[in-house]
Amino acid sequence: DTEVTQTPKHLVMGMTNKKSLKCEQHMGHRAMYWYKQKAKKPPELMFVYSYEKLSINESVPSRFSPECPNSSLLNLHLHALQPEDSALYLCASSQELAGAQYFGPGTRLLVL
Amino acid sequence: AQKITQTQPGMFVQEKEAVTLDCTYDTSDPSYGLFWYKQPSSGEMIFLIYQGSYDQQNATEGRYSLNFQKARKSANLVISASQLGDSAMYFCAMRGGGSYIPTFGRGTSLIVHP
Repeated sequence: DTEVTQTPKHLVMGMTNKKSLKCEQHMGHRAMYWYKQKAKKPPELMFVYSYEKLSINESVPSRFSPECPNSSLLNLHLHALQPEDSALYLCASSQELAGAQYFGPGTRLLVL
Repeated sequence: AQKITQTQPGMFVQEKEAVTLDCTYDTSDPSYGLFWYKQPSSGEMIFLIYQGSYDQQNATEGRYSLNFQKARKSANLVISASQLGDSAMYFCAMRGGGSYIPTFGRGTSLIVHP
């Protein structure tokens, strides 16, 4: 059973909508991550938070906005997305930056 | 720069048999870590096993073992006694080269036949 939860499981949104993806971990981990994954491809890192501070932003467009309200929660705010942003969005956490990452079940996003 | 290569896009194995999934890596950093993840069709990435570059023993976790050959820069995953539930995509990943962020290989799709 995963201890990283993500909501919603599925999301369909128009290009003018604003939505948020939520991630929560209950393992006391201090690092949290957002990944984007297209079908049959490896996950692509988007953002890394370490001790609630943004540590890495892999040149992600500003229509994606991360937020880490506390050490257990990670949000990804979405605004004015494009159809090519349709993908599986995975959240992960690790004890520290160098550790093994534990992933949530993902949110399948479709942008129309 | 670090690089991970998985050369097998797809593998097939009979239930109850063992299977080896290949992974080679390239890094100039003497300190690195190697990870294997399983991704079923449901989408969740599941951490399977970890090997550190200084670990003396090959890592094992239940039916999973990592055949770590440092000189050959390979870190193959061995799954013993395959089960139908092992059918999934398997990703090899490496952390090193001064970066804490793992680099993922392209993945290998494993199908277990009854």
